[in-house]
Amino acid sequence: DAGVIQSPRHEVTEMGQEVTLRCKPISGHNSLFWYRQTMMRGLELLIYFNNNVPIDDSGMPEDRFSAKMPNASFSTLKIQPSEPRDSAVYFCASRDARVLNYGYTFGSGTRLTVV
Amino acid sequence: QQQVKQSPQSLIVQKGGISIINCAYENTAFDYFPWYQQFPGKGPALLIAIRPDVSEKKEGRFTISFNKSAKQFSLHIMDSQPGDSATYFCAASWGNFNKFYFGSGTKLNVKP
Repeated sequence: DAGVIQSPRHEVTEMGQEVTLRCKPISGHNSLFWYRQTMMRGLELLIYFNNNVPIDDSGMPEDRFSAKMPNASFSTLKIQPSEPRDSAVYFCASRDARVLNYGYTFGSGTRLTVV
Repeated sequence: QQQVKQSPQSLIVQKGGISIINCAYENTAFDYFPWYQQFPGKGPALLIAIRPDVSEKKEGRFTISFNKSAKQFSLHIMDSQPGDSATYFCAASWGNFNKFYFGSGTKLNVKP
């Protein structure tokens, strides 16, 4: 199993540009999560999906952030327009919600720098 | 409001020593408490987890101690090794475990 795959690994963009982060969850996992990690705020849950449906997006910081999951094997997190304060490491994680006592599997993250 | 409070922020331990990281929570509905280990440039990886119906769980050199009445749980790393140097996060969730609340992390440095 290749695990949770995120792309790109690093992204440097200018303020105001659109940024799209991508995630491929583990095959068979039916829950997908987007987290943001910063030194100041630690790991923050942005949004999660169950069976491709967004369940809780209360962690999405602003309307500039949007996430989609068009099918069970792909999700995107988009920031438009990007701002320097969006600089962080963004993690995607997945799990099989049908299995009890089972944690997330995280991807390796996308390090976003907005200049 | 931070749902899970973790301490210390950083920890230095000599090789062979015991590393202890503590977490406290307020929400009594939490019923699943995992610990994650994160190496630089990697995502957090599940290390060990416990449910509140047991007071201790051990996997190799890693032990979770759980005190339900105090609403506290801790990770003990016995015989700490330099390869254990990483950031450790505690977390808590309830229900169908879909929303994990993470602690702020502890950066562990095990000196040779």
